[in-house]
Formats: sequence, structure tokens, C-alpha cells
Amino acid sequence: DAGITQSPRHKVTETGTPVTLRCHQTENHRYMYWYRQDPGHGLRLIHYSYGVKDTDKGEVSDGYSVSRSKTEDFLLTLESATSSQTSVYFCAITPGGTAGYTFGSGTRLTVV
Amino acid sequence: QKEVEQDPGPLSVPEGAIVSLNCTYSNSAFQYFMWYRQYSRKGPELLMYTYSSGNKEDGRFTAQVDKSSKYISLFIRDSQPSDSATYLCAGSMNRDDKIIFGKGTRLHILP
Repeated sequence: DAGITQSPRHKVTETGTPVTLRCHQTENHRYMYWYRQDPGHGLRLIHYSYGVKDTDKGEVSDGYSVSRSKTEDFLLTLESATSSQTSVYFCAITPGGTAGYTFGSGTRLTVV
Repeated sequence: QKEVEQDPGPLSVPEGAIVSLNCTYSNSAFQYFMWYRQYSRKGPELLMYTYSSGNKEDGRFTAQVDKSSKYISLFIRDSQPSDSATYLCAGSMNRDDKIIFGKGTRLHILP
């Protein structure tokens, strides 16, 4: 998927535990995004980054934090997972020369 | 009101038919409009994008934007069973800006 990988692909975790999802890109793109996708809600922006150490909140950022210490990696952390954070998480990049995102394959997270 | 609205469907049409998928949006600052296709358990993939009002054609797909009515359309000609997927419309203010998505329309093409 155009040099963007997410890990893990699937994860089951217990309520109250911290979880970190990783997005890795190989094409040195500046902009990276984290979305969650839920039935009835569609894709909602959690956090985004315009460069190393330059991040901002999206519309559903409560309970999530992000870090970007290197251009290629954008980490999403659930500090204390809750059942409402059960979702599919997508990372996206903005490739140069065109509008729109390229998405990763997603991480399916289940909080029990 | 969500910034981009679309009917969730499902929409079922016979193979070979012309499909029309539609969205409305509320943010008049949107300049870029996109259509994504998402197969089950996969990430969304960009089908095409348009800038401002007008039409854009790519093979069997035509995207249409009418900024005066804030209406976005995608037409699929000669629909195939492989077109069965969820289609997401989206808008953004600038090319590199964050994108606002509709909730998606599920499309079934019946063989």
C-alpha cells in the first residue's frame, strides 16, 4: 500500500491496559493521520501530524495520544483502553502531487 | 450536522446498470472532493478526486461536483460484481489539508 504499513493488524486487549499502534511509512511524507472507523460513524479523525514533533488533535482525540519522533513513524497510544475504543484504526499519508490520502491496511482493535 | 452526508444504503443494482452515488456537504470552503472505495476488511482506496466544480472521468467512473448546490456524485457505468464495496465521499479545503469523510454507501452489484 504505497509504502505505508500498520502494526499490529489485530489486537485484543483488556480494559485499562495501555496500547500502542504503529504506522510506518517509507516515502518520507510530511503529513500523517490516524482515523478510527466504526459502523454508523464512518471515518473520524483522531490525531494528525504535519511533521516531526508537530501533532494536533482531531474530532475524537479524547483518550488518545500520539507521537512522531521520526518522519517515518506515527504512533497512536491508548493510555488506558476502554471498550468504546474497540474499532478499526487506519493510518493515512498524503502522497505528494495529488489530493487525497493513501491508507494503511488498518488495525482491528478489540478491548474486552 | 456532519459536514459530509451520504445515504448508507445498501444499494443493490443488477450487473451492467449505471450506478449513481450521491453526497451533500455543508462546508463551502471545500475545494477538493474525493471518492474512495473500500472492500470489506480493507483500507479505503482513492478512486478519484476533483478540484472545485465540474466533471472528471476515469474509465467507467465519472465524478461530478456542483459547488452551487454542495452536491457530489459518482457514476459507475457498466457496473460489475467487483464494484460491490462501500463508497466514501469526502472533501477538504486544501490539497494537503485534513479530509472529512461521509459515512459511506454500501453498494451491491447483483450478477
